[in-house]
Amino acid sequence: DTGVSQDPRHKITKRGQNVTFRCDPISEHNRLYWYRQTLGQGPEFLTYFQNEAQLEKSRLLSDRFSAERPKGSFSTLEIQRTEQGDSAMYLCASSRPGTANEQFFGPGTRLTVL
Amino acid sequence: ELKVEQNPLFLSMQEGKNYTIYCNYSTTSDRLYWYRQDPGKSLESLFVLLSNGAVKQEGRLMASLDTKARLSTLHITAAVHDLSATYFCAALSGSARQLTFGSGTQLTVLP
Repeated sequence: DTGVSQDPRHKITKRGQNVTFRCDPISEHNRLYWYRQTLGQGPEFLTYFQNEAQLEKSRLLSDRFSAERPKGSFSTLEIQRTEQGDSAMYLCASSRPGTANEQFFGPGTRLTVL
Repeated sequence: ELKVEQNPLFLSMQEGKNYTIYCNYSTTSDRLYWYRQDPGKSLESLFVLLSNGAVKQEGRLMASLDTKARLSTLHITAAVHDLSATYFCAALSGSARQLTFGSGTQLTVLP
């Protein structure tokens, strides 16, 4: 399978705990995006990497959120001190230059904060 | 700030009928995308529209783009049950070239 993969697919945690999600983009894609989707809404942009550089962060990305993409391959998104409002689907997407920036999405990680 | 609006938000239609979903966006964007999402699943790319007047078709779905009117449409021809899903349009914006999505149109095709 050469698509975008994400792990875990589901995460249930208690308020105040830290969680970390992983995304593996399509291998030749140098652009990687994180989005968040809540029920009944479209995905909202969180952050963007080009290779290993984090070039853009949304105002939605509070200080409790941090993302990395070491070596320009997989990426991790960490949420510290989770809150109930963090419950959502976290989606990763990747794209490559010259393709009209068509973004391919992974299956997502569904986070539930109790 | 780019805003994307879709209508209708909910659509029930009979099999065999035609219908159109509308997507308006507030500021200039040179790309428009349509995605499909099944319940509990991720987003599947349907169409990428690159220029004014662009029209793309795949099976019973046809998408078009009018950049002057800042309007894209997704036309469904002779709907079948398998088309039941939520359809999102998204426009490209920002220095990161991120997608700004509409709220989605939840389509239900009834037998």
